[in-house]
Amino acid sequence: EIVLTQSPGTLSLSPGERATLSCRASQSVTRSDLAWYQKKPGQAPRLLIYGASSRATGIPDRFSGSGSGTDFTLTISRLEPEDSAVYYCQQYGSSPRTFGQGTKLEIK
Amino acid sequence: QVQLVQSGAEVKKPGASVKVSCKASGYTFSAYYIHWLRQAPGQGLEWMGWVNPNNGGTDSAQKFQGRVTMTWDTSINTAYMDLSGLTSDDTAVYLCARAGSIAAPPDAFHIWGQGTMVTVFS
Repeated sequence: EIVLTQSPGTLSLSPGERATLSCRASQSVTRSDLAWYQKKPGQAPRLLIYGASSRATGIPDRFSGSGSGTDFTLTISRLEPEDSAVYYCQQYGSSPRTFGQGTKLEIK
Repeated sequence: QVQLVQSGAEVKKPGASVKVSCKASGYTFSAYYIHWLRQAPGQGLEWMGWVNPNNGGTDSAQKFQGRVTMTWDTSINTAYMDLSGLTSDDTAVYLCARAGSIAAPPDAFHIWGQGTMVTVFS
């Protein structure tokens, strides 16, 4: 099983700043099959990035993903108040599909 | 539009079973995998398994094997997840999600149901 470790646990930033979220895998992720999701309370998760760097439909270009192998990054530029959420990385290239424990992003 | 609509909240006693449904619309139901996941209160996302509505193939996380049954009914474009032997640890929001085409490599979860709250208490 691939274990995903996200850092930091919590990130507190101001509107307009840039957020950098990290996801490290315990072994290489197949084909860069790595996704990022945004999760707000009471809502279903929202796919942001798949294939490590491809934006999902309707996702603004403030959200970008990068990385390969075992190290991946989600960058959110020009933070807005509505970006406040928990962000999860997930690998879907091997079974079982696994998620990181999440990074909570707070907008001051 | 493409969407997944799940059944309503459930309250169950320990030892009981729960069956959650996920009705698909806006696409060819049998052409895409349906995955099941859950999120316990204050916890992260946990993958439970998937079903291939075209050929009935399934796969599930080891911790749920023997307790989870994933089925489907193509006549009404609906997938089901049945979890037995419930304990208080199974209290969670259960989610269905559509992944990629059954004819393509594994994909992320682009479409999600709204979630079904299952509460287990005596």
